This record gives sequence, structure tokens and C-alpha cells, in this order.
Amino acid sequence: DAGVTQSPTHLIKTRGQQVTLRCSPISGHKSVSWYQQVLGQGPQFIFQYYEKEERGRGNFPDRFSARQFPNYSSELNVNALLLGDSALYLCASSAGLAGAETQYFGPGTRLLVL
Amino acid sequence: DQQVKQNSPSLSVQEGRISILNCDYTNSMFDYFLWYKKYPAEGPTFLISISSIKDKNEDGRFTVFLNKSAKHLSLHIVPSQPGDSAVYFCAASAVSNDMRFGAGTRLTVKP
Repeated sequence: DAGVTQSPTHLIKTRGQQVTLRCSPISGHKSVSWYQQVLGQGPQFIFQYYEKEERGRGNFPDRFSARQFPNYSSELNVNALLLGDSALYLCASSAGLAGAETQYFGPGTRLLVL
Repeated sequence: DQQVKQNSPSLSVQEGRISILNCDYTNSMFDYFLWYKKYPAEGPTFLISISSIKDKNEDGRFTVFLNKSAKHLSLHIVPSQPGDSAVYFCAASAVSNDMRFGAGTRLTVKP
């Protein structure tokens, strides 16, 4: 079975640009979460989507947005990129939304903002 | 707000010995705890989890202990192997299932 997939694997953008990152969950999983990981820190929660609805949002500015499609894949959009947005962006999927659901991560998209 | 803390950024252990990684949390609403292992250039890989109704969960060489009164959990790896060398993240979630992660502990197992 395929795990969580993300695209692209790497991306270089300049300040002020916009970026879209994509994620396909494990087959049968209906929940997708996005995390940002900067060097030396653990992943920081950005968004969670379940059944195409936003179910949670972390402490990130409105420049960050996301959506989930009917096939449960998801996109993360970041507008007006800042140098500080350079990070590894991780997508995780889980079967449901209950607290005791294990999330499984994709390989991540490494974004560099110049 | 750092609701999950891993106070040891690194740990070095001899092959065959026990590795103990520690994690503390502050939010009493957390009821599900997980350990992930991460290699460079890869996403975190799920290792083991424990719910708040238990105080111990074991899976092969990996055991997680939960002390709710102290808001502390630990991961024991016995025996440690060189392939266990990686960064280990502790994570916790409440009903909403959005996870909070610690900063990670880099484990080095020396042959």
C-alpha cells in the first residue's frame, strides 16, 4: 500500500511569491493535517482537514490556507512568502478525527525562500 | 507555547544497552501520546503510541511508559542498535487530534 505522498519534494521561491504544496493521504484515510518543521524544532501544527472541512488551525498567519478535495487529497497554499517560511512542510493522514488516531507522515516538501 | 518538551537534545548510547528518551507535557487535556522517529530527508515514522488509560505499552524492543500524575512519558529501546540512530520526537494530542510535538532528541547508538 502506498503511504502518504507529497509533491513537489523540493521548491525554491523568492520573497512575495505564492506556493502550493500537494498531499495524497493513505488510501481510506479521511483526515489530512499539515505541519511546518524548521531546523532544530519539532513539527508545528498548521491545519487539519476532515471530510473536506477545516477542523483545526494552528497559530499561523492568514497567508497560510488549505483545502481538501472530495478524494481526500489536500493542498496547502502560502501567499506573500517570507524568508522565515523556509522549512520542511509535512503532511500527515489518519483514518478519522478521534483523538486516539495515529497520524502517518509523508516525506515532506522542502521549501526554500530566497 | 511549548506544551510538549524534550529537554535532552541529544543522547549517546552503546550498542546493546538501553536507550531512554524522555518527554514532559503541560496540557492535562492530552490523552494520546506518540513517538516518531525521523531520519534526515524523510518524514517522521510512527513508532509506538499510548493512550492515557494505560501506563505502559510495549512493541518489540520499544516500550513507552506514561506517568500521568507527573505529566511525563519515556521511550525505552532495549537493546539499542546502530540502526536506531535518528531523531526521536514525542507528540501528544487531545480529542481534536492536532498533535503537538517536542523539539526532538537525537539518539546516537555507537557500535
